[in-house]
Amino acid sequence: ETGVTQSPTHLIKTRGQQVTLRCSSQSGHNTVSWYQQALGQGPQFIFQYYREEENGRGNFPPRFSGLQFPNYSSELNVNALELDDSALYLCASSPQNTEAFFGQGTRLTVV
Amino acid sequence: DQQVKQNSPSLSVQEGRISILNCDYTNSMFDYFLWYKKYPAEGPTFLISISSIKDKNEDGRFTVFLNKSAKHLSLHIVPSQPGDSAVYFCAASDRGSTLGRLYFGRGTQLTVWP
Repeated sequence: ETGVTQSPTHLIKTRGQQVTLRCSSQSGHNTVSWYQQALGQGPQFIFQYYREEENGRGNFPPRFSGLQFPNYSSELNVNALELDDSALYLCASSPQNTEAFFGQGTRLTVV
Repeated sequence: DQQVKQNSPSLSVQEGRISILNCDYTNSMFDYFLWYKKYPAEGPTFLISISSIKDKNEDGRFTVFLNKSAKHLSLHIVPSQPGDSAVYFCAASDRGSTLGRLYFGRGTQLTVWP
């Protein structure tokens, strides 16, 4: 039990649609990161938020965006979905500069 | 560009024996290394970590070794148990500049058979 919960667990969307994934992390975890894990790959860093500000971004286009809220919840938004966006999306939170605790992930399928 | 590499996609070990999972990295700025274990339909679970100022860290049956000159680390599990069967990810971080961004390898599927 990591104290990080994600919703929904599974989602099917059509190409071109928009999706919002949600994450709730532990109280006091002021850093949240999002990762994309494609089939057969390791998790790839999308971006990180620290105290509600974006604090680093991986090699993902601007149609991937996020928000972090004061209550330690966060969102990942993806616009104009493409088939290659099908993946497991992982949220990870941590206090400050320690190991990250991952949620169970949201499996997104784009058809 | 894969900065963390796990070159063995799978490993099969008999229960009670040692499991050795290997990981190589290319970025000399990495100063913190972690191993995560992942079961199907679950998120990665933190297992053990090591700072670049150490060459060994031990936690129960799990030991991580770091060879900075070779840019290589390994995870030893002794004795291996069937419940250890999972995908193991090696991850690295440059805590000085990236505030905890993790770079992951592709994972190694460990199977421990009775």
